[in-house]
Amino acid sequence: KAGVTQTPRYLIKTRGQQVTLSCSPISGHRSVSWYQQTPGQGLQFLFEYFSETQRNKGNFPGRFSGRQFSNSRSEMNVSTLELGDSALYLCASSRGGEETQYFGPGTRLLVL
Amino acid sequence: AQRVTQPEKLLSVFKGAPVELKCNYSYSGSPELFWYVQYSRQRLQLLLRHISRESIKGFTADLNKGETSFHLKKPFAQEEDSAMYYCALKAGTASKLTFGTGTRLQVTL
Repeated sequence: KAGVTQTPRYLIKTRGQQVTLSCSPISGHRSVSWYQQTPGQGLQFLFEYFSETQRNKGNFPGRFSGRQFSNSRSEMNVSTLELGDSALYLCASSRGGEETQYFGPGTRLLVL
Repeated sequence: AQRVTQPEKLLSVFKGAPVELKCNYSYSGSPELFWYVQYSRQRLQLLLRHISRESIKGFTADLNKGETSFHLKKPFAQEEDSAMYYCALKAGTASKLTFGTGTRLQVTL
């Protein structure tokens, strides 16, 4: 079975721009969660989507949003980028959310 | 709100020595606890979860609700155990994982 894939793997943007990251879950998995990883704050939960609906949300500003498509693929969007948004963004998938979460390799975003 | 604490940023042990990576949590309900591991240049992967009570790669972890701890142990460290280890908590039925800051385990000869 193919693992969780994320595209792109690396991204450089400038302040004020917006960015969209993509995550393809393991086949059959309907839950996709997003996390931000930074040296200062560690791994922090952004949000979770299940069957195209946001089911849980972390404590991030409204600039961070996401969506999920009918094939369970998910996208995360960050608008009006700030320097502090530079991070590794991980997505994780599971069958229904309660089971083991499998992580993707991450997208490393650098905001200049 | 839940919280996970891993007090050691770095733990350095000799090959063959016992290993104990500490994890303490705070949560008012019944949590589900996990250990995730990230080897160099690899993705984050599940090592073990407390409900399965199994041993993976020689590692074990017991949930101690009285001490709110979920320490990871291995009797004899191997070089290939060198990695970043994260303790994580899942509260209730929500899928959200709350992670600790991680401990880097360095096994030297």
